[in-house]
Amino acid sequence: GESVGLHLPTLSVQEGDNSIINCAYSNSASDYFIWYKQESGKGPQFIIDIRSNMDKRQGQRVTVLLNKTVKHLSLQIAATQPGDSAVYFCAEDSNYQLIWGAGTKLIIKP
Amino acid sequence: NAGVMQNPRHLVRRRGQEARLRCSPMKGHSHVYWYRQLPEEGLKFMVYLQKENIIDESGMPKERFSAEFPKEGPSILRIQQVVRGDSAAYFCASSPGPKNTGELFFGEGSRLTVL
Repeated sequence: GESVGLHLPTLSVQEGDNSIINCAYSNSASDYFIWYKQESGKGPQFIIDIRSNMDKRQGQRVTVLLNKTVKHLSLQIAATQPGDSAVYFCAEDSNYQLIWGAGTKLIIKP
Repeated sequence: NAGVMQNPRHLVRRRGQEARLRCSPMKGHSHVYWYRQLPEEGLKFMVYLQKENIIDESGMPKERFSAEFPKEGPSILRIQQVVRGDSAAYFCASSPGPKNTGELFFGEGSRLTVL
């Protein structure tokens, strides 16, 4: 069936370095993808989205890359800060349902 | 400019009791979605409602679970005769229109613990 999954469950990065979080999806017909950030005990928070007619989209300190050939998404966070510590989810839009991956926990080392 | 409001934030029930979770969408939003999250996992879609209508309940168990979004008042997710496996975080999200045109706005979740 359709699924969205993440390669690494935990990612540790040095404060100030860039972070790259990866995600694989299986439904080649998907045309809209979203990255969410979830801090401990809180609800998911929208970070950035991308449609399948784009390869790259940039926000403030974040960039999402989409490789449709290999069905791969990545989230790049520049100059990672302590406040970036959270679990990051990619989600695939299937009509009005979001299909979520398992999440990657980002840990910032001081 | 309140966001999506969920209550209670934490709920403890014994097996066999009923759990009622409430969600007030953002002002101006008429579309509500319920998701369930187990520890260390992503969210799983349960149900999508508009005012007075259930649009899609394909992710919701057929028994014991029900959801409503009345004309007035919050959306309610109701779980009857709770079992330990119902323990999870339940998130509500809202959007001004059908979700696929933009991001959802999530509440802080209701954490149900079944003893």
